[in-house]
Amino acid sequence: DIQMTQSPSTLSASVGGTVTITCRASQSITRWLAWYQQKPGKAPNLLIYEAFRLESGVPSRFSGSGSETEFTLTISSLQPDDVATYYCQQYESYSYTFGQGTKLEIK
Amino acid sequence: QVQLVQSGAEVKKPGASVKVSCKVSGYTLTELSIHWVRQSPAKGLEWMGGFDPAYGETIYAQDFQGRVTMTEDTSTETAFMELSSLTSEDTAVYYCATVIVATKLFDYWGQGTLITVSS
Repeated sequence: DIQMTQSPSTLSASVGGTVTITCRASQSITRWLAWYQQKPGKAPNLLIYEAFRLESGVPSRFSGSGSETEFTLTISSLQPDDVATYYCQQYESYSYTFGQGTKLEIK
Repeated sequence: QVQLVQSGAEVKKPGASVKVSCKVSGYTLTELSIHWVRQSPAKGLEWMGGFDPAYGETIYAQDFQGRVTMTEDTSTETAFMELSSLTSEDTAVYYCATVIVATKLFDYWGQGTLITVSS
């Protein structure tokens, strides 16, 4: 299985600030990477797919980049509502795997 | 709009089996590809398996092979996931989710079902 390594595990930033989360794949997944936001007690919610494409309805403050084995999710102009855990997920094949998650807190 | 409504929380003894249901509305099961994902504090999000329409069969994650069975009842538009030989490590929230066949992306999710394994 393709292993996904996400960092950092926790992150704290101020309202209005910018944060970056990194996700590394154990082998090339070209651009088959998605990012999800999950709030407590809820299912994951798709933010980004194909590494950089924004899901409909997601604010443009969220952006993704990368290819092959290294990917980033950037959240700019942080809002209090962005407090959540963020996960990367590869879908290069049906043996989907997820990163361990990054918990974002607002200072 | 697809809606997935899962069965309620359960407590099981080690060694037992559990069967979680996922009732579909808005579309029929034959139009959807249903997958199962679980989430635990220890292991995070884990894909368990789902229906691959390209081959017309259900595929299972290696970690669950031999212990999980996913079925569908088209008469009631309900999908099921049964997991056997439970241990405390199976304590988790179990989700059903639809996968868009063309993109392999998760689309709609159920609300989750907490399964607790405890003696």
